[in-house]
Amino acid sequence: SQTIHQWPATLVQPVGSPLSLECTVEGTSNPNLYWYRQAAGRGLQLLFYSVGIGQISSEVPQNLSASRPQDRQFILSSKKLLLSDSGFYLCAWSLKQGSSGNTIYFGEGSWLTVV
Amino acid sequence: AQSVTQPDIHITVSEGASLELRCNYSYGATPYLFWYVQSPGQGLQLLLKYFSGDTLVQGIKGFEAEFKRSQSSFNLRKPSVHWSDAAEYFCAVGFYNQGGKLIFGQGTELSVKP
Repeated sequence: SQTIHQWPATLVQPVGSPLSLECTVEGTSNPNLYWYRQAAGRGLQLLFYSVGIGQISSEVPQNLSASRPQDRQFILSSKKLLLSDSGFYLCAWSLKQGSSGNTIYFGEGSWLTVV
Repeated sequence: AQSVTQPDIHITVSEGASLELRCNYSYGATPYLFWYVQSPGQGLQLLLKYFSGDTLVQGIKGFEAEFKRSQSSFNLRKPSVHWSDAAEYFCAVGFYNQGGKLIFGQGTELSVKP
């Protein structure tokens, strides 16, 4: 069965420091991968998605970037964090179309507090 | 532009009462529709989904949802709510292209009174 892992689970970082959140998927190959952010009291905002290695689509202009160095690895980064980057970050994956449609499965999330 | 609206930010129901959470979408084609549930501090769990066919779909934990094309709605229902159903519920629209991404509504927080 497929599993998704993301880490760290919680992170407290000072303003201006770098960020790296990592996500890996096991038990499948060539998945679509996603990073969502959930700010306090708000819904989920899609930040990036990737349909393959090195292929990143950005949904909103922001202080963050994403990379996919391997098939099942998705990394969310920032060179200099802002206070507004605080939130709950969720990595997710889906199979390509034709298998189970585009049902998206989520990791357990990473809490980021920028101080 | 595609969007999802959940008009109720917070709903409180008594345990054993029925529940309906509203969801309206804006999308030019037949959408893929989903409901997810999120317990505090955790990831999202899929409750049910609609791709095609029967417009009444059954999900886990006794939930069901009905797709109504004429109303652009996909409301979630449960006949009898349990205290463990207290959580945040998200409706989402999926896209066949664009990497299969989902656009989520703002969520509805459900509280259950004993």
